[in-house]
Amino acid sequence: AQKVTQAQTEISVVEKEDVTLDCVYETRDTTYYLFWYKQPPSGELVFLIRRNSFDEQNEISGRYSWNFQKSTSSFNFTITASQVVDSAVYFCALSEVDTGRRALTFGSGTRLQVQP
Amino acid sequence: EPEVTQTPSHQVTQMGQEVILRCVPISNHLYFYWYRQILGQKVEFLVSFYNNEISEKSEIFDDQFSVERPDGSNFTLKIRSTKLEDSAMYFCASRGTGTKETQYFGPGTRLLVL
Repeated sequence: AQKVTQAQTEISVVEKEDVTLDCVYETRDTTYYLFWYKQPPSGELVFLIRRNSFDEQNEISGRYSWNFQKSTSSFNFTITASQVVDSAVYFCALSEVDTGRRALTFGSGTRLQVQP
Repeated sequence: EPEVTQTPSHQVTQMGQEVILRCVPISNHLYFYWYRQILGQKVEFLVSFYNNEISEKSEIFDDQFSVERPDGSNFTLKIRSTKLEDSAMYFCASRGTGTKETQYFGPGTRLLVL
């Protein structure tokens, strides 16, 4: 069965520090998608990135970068030079294509606190 | 930029009452979803809807829940007889077809059952 694990429940950093949020997933599908969503204190879920299982290229978007490694079933998220506005809960999620289970399976989230 | 909208933003109800949560998905999307998030916990899938029928549902989505697309724009979640444990944030999401696999979420409806 599919599963997403975010072992870090809460991380606290000081502004300008780099921080990496870990995500490990389990699936039997060959084709699947991985996602990161941000949930700020206001509560909405904001899409950050989607990666399909055949694309292991790392991606950088401004201060954000993602490292996808199929060999370790991990899809980690790094924020460089963190800012107070990055404080939020971050969720990693998986959807499976082969089995047709397109519903998202979420991890339990990592709460990031960036202190000024 | 198109977005998913949800109404109401907050709802308080008495146990045993029926509630209807409403969503307007992104206009050219064909797949619709409901998720819920109990306070402080992870987001859980409830149901997905495509071509006017349920395509997938979780074990949470029991007989007290139903979904409907009453017209060309709205997508609703009905809880027939609310329980205390139904108190949660309910999120609607929609996605496009083909390679557009990203689900975009609405702002959520916070439901409190007393």
